[in-house]
Amino acid sequence: GAVVSQHPSWVICKSGTSVKIECRSLDFQATTMFWYRQFPKQSLMLMATSNEGSKATYEQGVEKDKFLINHASLTLSTLTVTSAHPEDSSFYICSASGQGPNSLPDNSPLHFGNGTRLTVT
Amino acid sequence: AQKITQTQPGMFVQEKEAVTLDCTYDTSDQSYGLFWYKQPSSGEMIFLIYQGSYDEQNATEGRYSLNFQKARKSANLVISASQLGDSAMYFCAMREGVASYDKVIFGPGTSLSVIP
Repeated sequence: GAVVSQHPSWVICKSGTSVKIECRSLDFQATTMFWYRQFPKQSLMLMATSNEGSKATYEQGVEKDKFLINHASLTLSTLTVTSAHPEDSSFYICSASGQGPNSLPDNSPLHFGNGTRLTVT
Repeated sequence: AQKITQTQPGMFVQEKEAVTLDCTYDTSDQSYGLFWYKQPSSGEMIFLIYQGSYDEQNATEGRYSLNFQKARKSANLVISASQLGDSAMYFCAMREGVASYDKVIFGPGTSLSVIP
């Protein structure tokens, strides 16, 4: 159980275009999804926290107009990198957690998607 | 300020030997959770073990055990009987709070190499 699917697994786009990354919880209700970014040989840096039906909370230094997060349902959150530039090239990975009778219990670990490797040329 | 410290950027261990990966953390919360994740070169994040701040016993999961010393704010991971497949990045992480919506932050990681 607790499977998180993330698509695409890799994407190459031209500078100035936008890219959408999807994160789906397949067998549980994800009331909260977290988006992380990881540069090569570095740790995961939290970008934002999204709760179903409400606006995302962004970490300090993360541009909310550049990284648009939508969490419209209990099973889907999307991250859109707008007007991508080469410095946005990175590994983006989502994780999900939930509450309630159909979701994971408290204190449960984050369940991660397999990540998206974005390259902006 | 760095809330999670992993002082070993890289570690080597002989196959079948045990290895300890260090992690110290900083929080003023009374309720928190500590995690260890493994990230192989493929990039996926694999959950290994969890320790709650109120858990009195050290957590164990198969070959993984967590040496939790609350007063020292340390949560070291011990891997017993290392295998070649254990070669990967290892991240210590902390959730401040115990709810599933509380965010989880990660330490800088330790690269473990298992030598045959």
